[in-house]
Amino acid sequence: DQQVKQNSPSLSVQEGRISILNCDYTNSMFDYFLWYKKYPAEGPTFLISISSIKDKNEDGRFTVFLNKSAKHLSLHIVPSQPGDSAVYFCAARGAGKIIFGKGTRLHILP
Amino acid sequence: NAGVTQTPKFRILKIGQSMTLQCTQDMNHNYMYWYRQDPGMGLKLIYYSVGAGITDKGEVPNGYNVSRSTTEDFPLRLELAAPSQTSVYFCASSYRAGDTQYFGPGTRLTVL
Repeated sequence: DQQVKQNSPSLSVQEGRISILNCDYTNSMFDYFLWYKKYPAEGPTFLISISSIKDKNEDGRFTVFLNKSAKHLSLHIVPSQPGDSAVYFCAARGAGKIIFGKGTRLHILP
Repeated sequence: NAGVTQTPKFRILKIGQSMTLQCTQDMNHNYMYWYRQDPGMGLKLIYYSVGAGITDKGEVPNGYNVSRSTTEDFPLRLELAAPSQTSVYFCASSYRAGDTQYFGPGTRLTVL
């Protein structure tokens, strides 16, 4: 039973355009959400997070939106750059534990 | 600042062999974790530790053992390697439960 779902295994976006990565969750008790970025042959690195009491958090080119009623969050990257090509994991915190989605591979096209 | 380090980076084992994956963190974090990532899959928690001397099972603990004798180190032991344990293993740490986790570079293990 997947509590955190990333339904798109991969996404291709033109350089300079907006990348939108989506994540759905099932547990309404999750209180904190995170996005991690992973390059090949490296460990995941923290990118941005959002508390369940907010609906938006912005950090430079990265913005995370949270829609609690829909149990949905999204990561927007504007403008997309070649270095953004990576796998992005959505994660959610509940009862002190963090649960990860399967990840979405983002390809930024030249 | 080393963060979380893991050794080895790669290893090939034969079925039935044993090995220990090493993990060390220098951030004085209380919590440490072991995950595995299979191709096309997310991160699955194997074991975690909330401090020296205290460990607990995660989602997929079968076939593994851990110990935590110091704050810094959290080794993962495979006693009888099986092909199903072929995966990439990540160690991570955090200061508190649910805090941002910092990951090591991973160990790619193949069991033949």
